[in-house]
Amino acid sequence: KNEVEQSPQNLTAQEGEFITINCSYSVGISALHWLQQHPGGGIVSLFMLSSGKKKHGRLIATINIQEKHSSLHITASHPRDSAVYICAAETSGSRLTFGEGTQLTVNP
Amino acid sequence: DAGVIQSPRHEVTEMGQEVTLRCKPISGHDYLFWYRQTMMRGLELLIYFNNNVPIDDSGMPEDRFSAKMPNASFSTLKIQPSEPRDSAVYFCASSFMNTGELFFGEGSRLTVL
Repeated sequence: KNEVEQSPQNLTAQEGEFITINCSYSVGISALHWLQQHPGGGIVSLFMLSSGKKKHGRLIATINIQEKHSSLHITASHPRDSAVYICAAETSGSRLTFGEGTQLTVNP
Repeated sequence: DAGVIQSPRHEVTEMGQEVTLRCKPISGHDYLFWYRQTMMRGLELLIYFNNNVPIDDSGMPEDRFSAKMPNASFSTLKIQPSEPRDSAVYFCASSFMNTGELFFGEGSRLTVL
């Protein structure tokens, strides 16, 4: 069993739909990161959170420390949101353990 | 700032050759990370530095891999000798302790024939 598991692995949505990607982890963490990897390969940090909820534009990230679970939500999805979304658990010493990623495709 | 800069962007080499990947972190950042991404294993941490000092190199696959950070603005990842199974995209990332947000370079795609 991986220390960080994401679901679903693949997700196809229609433009405008509300999207949720889930991340469960089994290790103690100091923070949880959500990353976006574009089709061209570049990686961008979306959120780093250790409790509660963060919002940036149409993206919302939540974390439940007790349940060791985090979710990434995208409201009013758009084709430009198509990318791989990666959850990563930061353990002691700034070490990141990555999930396998969720491939999101948003169709117009 | 131009962001994290990696070079080369692409490298194709033959088995047995030495490969050197380079990274310039964002100025002022005190953490530097080297990651490897493959289809089979996804993203993996190889090594990271804090204030130019290697902190955790437990992800470095074997003695063929070495990394240095001679100063705050430059790091190298060297593979000698290279093998086909080293083919991957190697990412460098940097962060500032107080915020923790990671900034990634564009990656170096290595192909070892």
